[in-house]
Order: sequence, then C-alpha cells, then structure tokens
Amino acid sequence: SAVISQKPSRDICQRGTSLTIQCQVDSQVTMMFWYRQQPGQSLTLIATANQGSEATYESGFVIDKFPISRPNLTFSTLTVSNMSPEDSSIYLCSAQGQGGFQETQYFGPGTRLLVL
Amino acid sequence: GQQVMQIPQYQHVQEGEDFTTYCNSSTTLSNIQWYKQRPGGHPVFLIQLVKSGEVKKQKRLTFQFGEAKKNSSLHITATQTTDVGTYFCAGGPGNQFYFGTGTSLTVIP
Repeated sequence: SAVISQKPSRDICQRGTSLTIQCQVDSQVTMMFWYRQQPGQSLTLIATANQGSEATYESGFVIDKFPISRPNLTFSTLTVSNMSPEDSSIYLCSAQGQGGFQETQYFGPGTRLLVL
Repeated sequence: GQQVMQIPQYQHVQEGEDFTTYCNSSTTLSNIQWYKQRPGGHPVFLIQLVKSGEVKKQKRLTFQFGEAKKNSSLHITATQTTDVGTYFCAGGPGNQFYFGTGTSLTVIP
C-alpha cells in the first residue's frame, strides 16, 4: 500500500495570503488528485495533478486560484491563493496506480485550513 | 456536471441489523469505488467495481454495480459498532472520481 503525507497538517491564515500544501507519496503513482472537504460534507474534486504538465481542473476551479505542481511521480503541491474565509476547508490529496494496487486510491491525512 | 447522489443521508441502526446505502449517478460511470470515512479521519478505499452487474463481497459487506453502470449499492449484514462512519461512493466517466453525497451510519449498541 501507499503511504501519503501532507504538510502542513493544519494552518490558520489571514485573508489575502497564500498557502502551499505539499503531498508526498512513498512510492511512484500514476494519478494524483486534490480534493476539498467541508466538515460533515462530501469531497469535491479540485483537479488532477498531471506529472510534467498542467493540472486538469474541474468546473468551478481555476489555475490562478489553485495552482498545482507535480514535478515527479511521488510529489505534488496545491497552492490556495489570495485566500478568503470561504476557502476554509480540509484539503486532501490522493494517489492511485501504485504497483500491484492499481485501482486503490489512497488519501493523505488532509490539511485543515482556517482563513480569518 | 457530474452528480452522484446517495441515499439515505443518515441511517441509525441497532447493532446486528442490516444496512444498505444506494448510489446513483446522472451519467454512466466507467467504474465505481466505495470508501469509508471515520469521524476525523480520511477516506479509506474499500473496493472498486468495473463490470456491469458486478457483485463483490468483503466479509459482511456486499457491493453491487448496476447493469447500466449508473448506480451501485453497499449492503452490510449484521452491523457492528466498528461499522460506524460515513460511506461514500465515487466514480466518473474517466479517471476522475466524483464523490457521492455520503451516507452516515450510526450503530447503536
């Protein structure tokens, strides 16, 4: 199985600032995704992080607000730019396509963001 | 856009009773996955179904994928307190996974 770590685990930020969340997988994976989850709600897919190319964003999410990098097969970052209180949420990265567990999608522990 | 609905939203059962959650998509899915999320935790992958009409079992859990690949169900037989959590289905037309609205299960000892 894949182990995914995220940094930071939580943060409190001022509106107008930006925060970069890091996601590290302990093995090479094919797919990496970024999700957002409000407490008690479902997960909303933000984008697919593509290795070596621009991320694929879902409707309602744009690169200027959520720039994503994926320089290799084990690492990705999500930046939440020019934050507002509406961005307060849990941000989760996930990875799929690892070794003999191609179909399993593993999730990181999440980053809890509070914007004041 | 892609919509994946689940019913019921909440379910309270006595320990030992059965539980079922249903997942319905507005579009045909290439595959469907099921996850369990405990309070304060992150989603944990349970299973993936790919074929039309597919049925898979994991101990007390039975997963079904509809013939039209637009709906799915998760059935738990004889629930235990360890089954508490929110169950999500997730699927999409391609490699993306759009999560359902979730069913929160409470098991009363």
